[in-house]
Amino acid sequence: RKEVEQDPGPFNVPEGATVAFNCTYSNSASQSFFWYRQDCRKEPKLLMSVYSSGNEDGRFTAQLNRASQYISLLIRDSKLSDSATYLCVVNRGSGTYKYIFGTGTRLKVLA
Amino acid sequence: EAGVTQFPSHSVIEKGQTVTLRCDPISGHDNLYWYRRVMGKEIKFLLHFVKESKQDESGMPNNRFLAERTGGTYSTLKVQPAELEDSGVYFCASSQAAGYEQYFGPGTRLTVT
Repeated sequence: RKEVEQDPGPFNVPEGATVAFNCTYSNSASQSFFWYRQDCRKEPKLLMSVYSSGNEDGRFTAQLNRASQYISLLIRDSKLSDSATYLCVVNRGSGTYKYIFGTGTRLKVLA
Repeated sequence: EAGVTQFPSHSVIEKGQTVTLRCDPISGHDNLYWYRRVMGKEIKFLLHFVKESKQDESGMPNNRFLAERTGGTYSTLKVQPAELEDSGVYFCASSQAAGYEQYFGPGTRLTVT
């Protein structure tokens, strides 16, 4: 079983739709959580950090549920430019600061 | 502010040859990381430098891989001798402090034939 699990998709949604992605992690000691966006053949780019209290950045909302060990990303009013792969990333902390990546969820927003 | 840069962007070498990848982190970032994505798999950690010291090299696949960061600035990752399974995209990332958000370079696409 992978340490960070994501539904690979693809999620095909019309412009303006709301779409949600979930990610689960297996290591309960994990300390930091992030969503990155990766366009085809490009590097991962930080979308947002994820906090227990939840956080919002414009059309994007991220939530963390430590008890159930899952992270979510909600995108409202999808734009064509949101089409990308969304990577769930976990940082174990506690002496190691390496990122553990999920395989990513592909999103395609259709006109 | 300049981002993380990597060189070369692409490299095609034959099995048995040597390749050296270079990463320049964001200025002032003491923490530098190497990751690799092989086709069809998730991005995986290779190692972490704090300044010139290796903090964590648990992801290095074998002793054909050698990473250095002399002077605590740029880093190199040498693969010698390269094998077919080394093909993939090698990403470098840097962060202001350990545990902070990491910023990734554009990657080096390595193809071993």
